[in-house]
Amino acid sequence: NAGVTQTPKFQVLKTGQSMTLQCAQDMNHEYMSWYRQDPGMGLRLIHYSVGAGITDQGEVPNGYNVSRSTTEDFPLRLLSAAPSQTSVYFCASSYNRGFNSPLHFGNGTRLTVT
Amino acid sequence: GQQLNQSPQSMFIQEGEDVSMNCTSSSIFNTWLWYKQDPGEGPVLLIALYKAGELTSNGRLTAQFGITRKDSFLNISASIPSDVGIYFCAGQQISNFGNEKLTFGTGTRLTIIP
Repeated sequence: NAGVTQTPKFQVLKTGQSMTLQCAQDMNHEYMSWYRQDPGMGLRLIHYSVGAGITDQGEVPNGYNVSRSTTEDFPLRLLSAAPSQTSVYFCASSYNRGFNSPLHFGNGTRLTVT
Repeated sequence: GQQLNQSPQSMFIQEGEDVSMNCTSSSIFNTWLWYKQDPGEGPVLLIALYKAGELTSNGRLTAQFGITRKDSFLNISASIPSDVGIYFCAGQQISNFGNEKLTFGTGTRLTIIP
């Protein structure tokens, strides 16, 4: 059972480039989300999805797009990378968005924008 | 947005010592969660607390949900080398739209001095 799988593990982009961070889960979880982790800031929610075809914005959505065409996959797109998007990105999933449904995290993607 | 004040930011202890860390907020939470993050990996859930006053243990870890619902603490007894990592608290509350909202603390970095 792989859990939550994120690719790539590391990525370096130049300002203005675009890329997609991949996230897949094999636990049949309805809820999936993307967080960014910056020093001294904790984890901040970027976008989330409560099921296939449904997405919504989190705390820091600007500069990022998401889609959820299947239950398993939840890619995060950076359309025009900026240095402020240098961060570690975590994908997380849970059975649903309820209180008794803890998040399972992937191992992260470390992104550097120069 | 919401703020969770987690302290201490870092701890340097010797193997075998007990550890205590806490999270406080000006807001009330319905659930408190404690996660641990090992280097290069995503956070992993340690303990979930669902009721004010609840005291829950998981091996050498003990966590409590504060009576005021605005704080929580985590204790680790008889620390061992594999306890090294970053510990995050997270609070859940129901948003205006009836869904849960999860806020993370800024983390406590635990280092064991040989």
